[in-house]
Amino acid sequence: GENVEQHPSTLSVQEGDSAVIKCTYSDSASNYFPWYKQELGKRPQLIIDIRSNVGEKKDQRIAVTLNKTAKHFSLHITETQPEDSAVYFCAASYNTNAGKSTFGDGTTLTVKP
Amino acid sequence: EADIYQTPRYLVIGTGKKITLECSQTMGHDKMYWYQQDPGMELHLIHYSYGVNSTEKGDLSSESTVSRIRTEHFPLTLESARPSHTSQYLCASSELAGGSYNEQFFGPGTRLTVL
Repeated sequence: GENVEQHPSTLSVQEGDSAVIKCTYSDSASNYFPWYKQELGKRPQLIIDIRSNVGEKKDQRIAVTLNKTAKHFSLHITETQPEDSAVYFCAASYNTNAGKSTFGDGTTLTVKP
Repeated sequence: EADIYQTPRYLVIGTGKKITLECSQTMGHDKMYWYQQDPGMELHLIHYSYGVNSTEKGDLSSESTVSRIRTEHFPLTLESARPSHTSQYLCASSELAGGSYNEQFFGPGTRLTVL
């Protein structure tokens, strides 16, 4: 089955700096890669996703890049703000897996004001 | 408003009790999932369903069972709760549109404590 590794497990940055979280996956058939943000005490929510037919997607201060050959994808947050502090999860899934997404272990991001 | 609802939000029970965690969604989604998550930790898939009368075990072995008699309802049952079941349980749903997967929408969670 699919295996997703996420690094780092914790990340601390100064406000205004950039943050990068990386994930690798094992199954080359995976074709959908979402990122979820979970604030303390709240439910995970999708912040951005990418499909295997594109290499990069951007939404304001966040962007995701995908390298299918190397089987890794990354989340980039620019101009970080304290409200970006949360746990971020990457995931990978593919159509024939009938609904299952495999999640990474999460990255706790702390943005210091 | 379309959403995912979980009840109860908090539950404290004694060892050996049978409990059912409720999950309902008004999203119109076919697929539903149950995850177990300790605070701030990884999400472990314990059960999922493609639709009515479909249930599958997830990656994490669980002593719980699920049922899917109605599209909008996906309850999780523990026949005999133990302290090792203490955790947060998150329900989620998603749609399969055009053969492609889309985001999962999560419920607010049930925080279970077994004494």
